Amino acid sequence: ETGVTQTPRHLVMGMTNKKSLKCEQHLGHNAMYWYKQSAKKPLELMFVYSLEERVENNSVPSRFSPECPNSSHLFLHLHTLQPEDSALYLCASSRSGGLQETQYFGPGTRLLVL
Amino acid sequence: AQTVTQSQPEMSVQEAETVTLSCTYDTSENNYYLFWYKQPPSRQMILVIRQEAYKQQNATENRFSVNFQKAAKSFSLKISDSQLGDTAMYFCSLPPSDKTTSGTYKYIFGTGTRLKVLA
Repeated sequence: ETGVTQTPRHLVMGMTNKKSLKCEQHLGHNAMYWYKQSAKKPLELMFVYSLEERVENNSVPSRFSPECPNSSHLFLHLHTLQPEDSALYLCASSRSGGLQETQYFGPGTRLLVL
Repeated sequence: AQTVTQSQPEMSVQEAETVTLSCTYDTSENNYYLFWYKQPPSRQMILVIRQEAYKQQNATENRFSVNFQKAAKSFSLKISDSQLGDTAMYFCSLPPSDKTTSGTYKYIFGTGTRLKVLA
């Protein structure tokens, strides 16, 4: 389970805090993704990066800000979150961003917003 | 719009027995891929099996196989000789073939089936 790593694994933050989630992939992939997984809801795609360019933003509130400094690293910067943002945030990567490619997921960061 | 439906929120199976998880979907595309992913408790989601719609032969990966019925838009997962390590959430997924009319990609995942393998 070292292909895609995420830190921290757990995070508790207040609504006024600023924090960042980190994702790193060791698979030589060129595309990375952020998903939100809430209980009893389907996975929600948040952002897609391909070759370090953001190619997708699925109407995510501006309190979530992604950053992809290189093809191996992906960040999700969080500020002034709401309690309903509490969820498991999953990072994934794929070879080149083709829509039909297998995605490789990280273990997730479980976020609790108080 | 593409949709994926997993109608079994929870299932259980005795160790060494066979279980089938159902998935139905809807798409207007003729060529597409379907995926089953597995998410064990507190562990990473991993690919179980992948099916290409233009291939009539059902995909198989060791103890995992699919029953793909394109006309019925059904994509069920069969797990043979169930093992305790198969305990997990299983998600059926239909990637987009293109952007939607609103200009977004809609990776469609079902709500999942929680499978428990009993000793």
